[in-house]
Order: sequence, then C-alpha cells, then structure tokens
Amino acid sequence: EVQLVESGGGLVKPGGSLRLSCAASGFTFSNAWMSWVRQAPGKGLEWVGRIKSKTDGGTTDYAAPVKGRFTISRDDSKNTLYLQMNSLKTEDTAVYYCTVVEYSSSSVDFDYWGQGTLVTVSS
Amino acid sequence: SSELTQDPAVSVALGQTVRITCQGDSLRSYYASWYQQKPGQAPVLVIYGKNNRPSGIPDRFSGSSSGNTASLTITGAQAEDEADYYCNSRDSSGVVFGGGTKLTVL
Repeated sequence: EVQLVESGGGLVKPGGSLRLSCAASGFTFSNAWMSWVRQAPGKGLEWVGRIKSKTDGGTTDYAAPVKGRFTISRDDSKNTLYLQMNSLKTEDTAVYYCTVVEYSSSSVDFDYWGQGTLVTVSS
Repeated sequence: SSELTQDPAVSVALGQTVRITCQGDSLRSYYASWYQQKPGQAPVLVIYGKNNRPSGIPDRFSGSSSGNTASLTITGAQAEDEADYYCNSRDSSGVVFGGGTKLTVL
C-alpha cells in the first residue's frame, strides 16, 4: 500500500523559512516523480512543483508564485521528499500535500496523496 | 499560464446522472485528470488520461473531452459522491488546476 506521510508544518513569521518532509513507502520511491500541491484554507488546489527521478535527470520545475523561494529535493536512500520554503509570505499559508505524479505526453496525474501538513505564515 | 474554469456548485438527485465540466485552452492539447475531495481529506484521483479509472474507483465515474472542455460524468450518483471535484491538466508553464466544483447529492 502506498503511504505518503508529510511532516514539518507549523506557524512561521513572514520572511521566515520552513522545511517540509514526506516519508514514502509501499512503492519504489527512487523511480517515482514526486510533486507538492498546496491548498489554502477554503480554497482550491495549486501545483507547487515537481522533481523527476534521478534516472530521469532529477530536475525540478516550479510554479511561478514560488519559483526562486521554494526548493524541492529528494533523498532516495531515505525514501523522503523535501520542500524547503524560504522568504515565506502570508499567501503561502496552506495545507501542503506530497504526491506521486505521472507525466505523459498527453496528461499529468497525481496518483497518490499524503494527508497533508498545514503551514501558517503569520506575524 | 492558462486557466481551467469549473462551475462552483452542481447538484444532482440521488441515483441520477450528473456532468461536471472543466474548460480551458490547455484542454485542446492535453487530457484532464479528475480528483474527488471530501471534507477534511486529501484528494483522490478518480479519472485520468482519455477515460481511465484507478483501481477501486467505481465504474459510475467516467470522463470525456471535446474541444476545450473536459467532463466528469457520474452515472447514478450516490450519497457518498457528495464532495468537491477538481480537474487539472498540463499547460505551457507546468500544471494547472480548476477552481473546483462542489457536488451536492439531494
């Protein structure tokens, strides 16, 4: 059974930093492309970014609102995905979901989701 | 980046058929995927690709696409289908999600 367990959320002041972790199990993590998706309170889903598997280059891509502030990384030896968030803004307040993502030439599917971790940016 | 537009709310009588739509320019090039989210829970993928259901998703859920519009159809809606539904697709700058549709089963 695929399990994704996020941790590291909490309250942080504007301009601060936070690192989220996502522990993965039940599948071959090193082969998976992974992504972060967030959801502000009472709002819809927003893609944050993704990281390819190392065999596919391990490169990252980010949504415009977080580019230059957020960094996605992975440690395949620990089956763990990370999201380093710097220069946080109040509008980054959201539940952050770790997901397994599949890209094809015709679609992108978020196949599995963690339960999410809440990040609150407030003074 | 492009946008995906969904009706904010749709209702359906128990056992009837309902169609939830998603419109956007990216859908002329890419298929939509669909997610169900119940209150306090993470989203769950229900339809992906042309019209594929992940294991465990009931066959009353189906997907279709025409031009710039993708549709999720629930044939014989059940009480447990009451939820928020989101579409997404690839676009030129990455990934885009629709704003979501709240489905009420009457």
